[in-house]
Amino acid sequence: EAQVTQNPRYLITVTGKKLTVTCSQNMNHEYMSWYRQDPGLGLRQIYYSMNVEVTDKGDVPEGYKVSRKEKRNFPLILESPSPNQTSLYFCASSLTGVVNTEAFFGQGTRLTVV
Amino acid sequence: GDSVTQMEGPVTLSEEAFLTINCTYTATGYPSLFWYVQYPGEGLQLLLKATKADDKGSNKGFEATYRKETTSFHLEKGSVQVSDSAVYFCALRNSGGYQKVTFGIGTKLQVIP
Repeated sequence: EAQVTQNPRYLITVTGKKLTVTCSQNMNHEYMSWYRQDPGLGLRQIYYSMNVEVTDKGDVPEGYKVSRKEKRNFPLILESPSPNQTSLYFCASSLTGVVNTEAFFGQGTRLTVV
Repeated sequence: GDSVTQMEGPVTLSEEAFLTINCTYTATGYPSLFWYVQYPGEGLQLLLKATKADDKGSNKGFEATYRKETTSFHLEKGSVQVSDSAVYFCALRNSGGYQKVTFGIGTKLQVIP
């Protein structure tokens, strides 16, 4: 089954404690991205990757890091989380170069930073 | 840059009512347009799409037509069900740049029996 898998689904952490949210897709997609969803703001892109070792900032990259060492994985790293990073996070993947194909989303990770 | 505008809601309807959720966009070039749906506690999933002007996307009784002259992609359904309660996102993906998907803020729909 084609899917994007994120872990964990729920996470409560304390300010400053490094964390990683994993994302993996099994569709051989080149393009992967991370979004955060906040009430009244919709989905905002944090980082994206067009292929292995190719990553770039989205609209709200501050406080986040990513890496793309393998095609299937795209982890999101918060080196020193702060309460304003409390949000619902989604990973997505899609084909590169084919704009009429949709993005596939993970189930989401609800992060609370206290 | 590209942008998508839709009402946030919530929109509350009785079962079997007619649904319209308006979506307008600003984009250069020839974007593809999408509606995604997010059911409670889940990720987004594609509801329908249209890839060129005058195309009509349809799925599960929902329809939307790509109107280039009015830069709109309004979502409609003739008779909503309680199971349609969800958040609906209008989105576009452009051929230029890095092919980012741009989302609207999402419209929450609540259907009551």
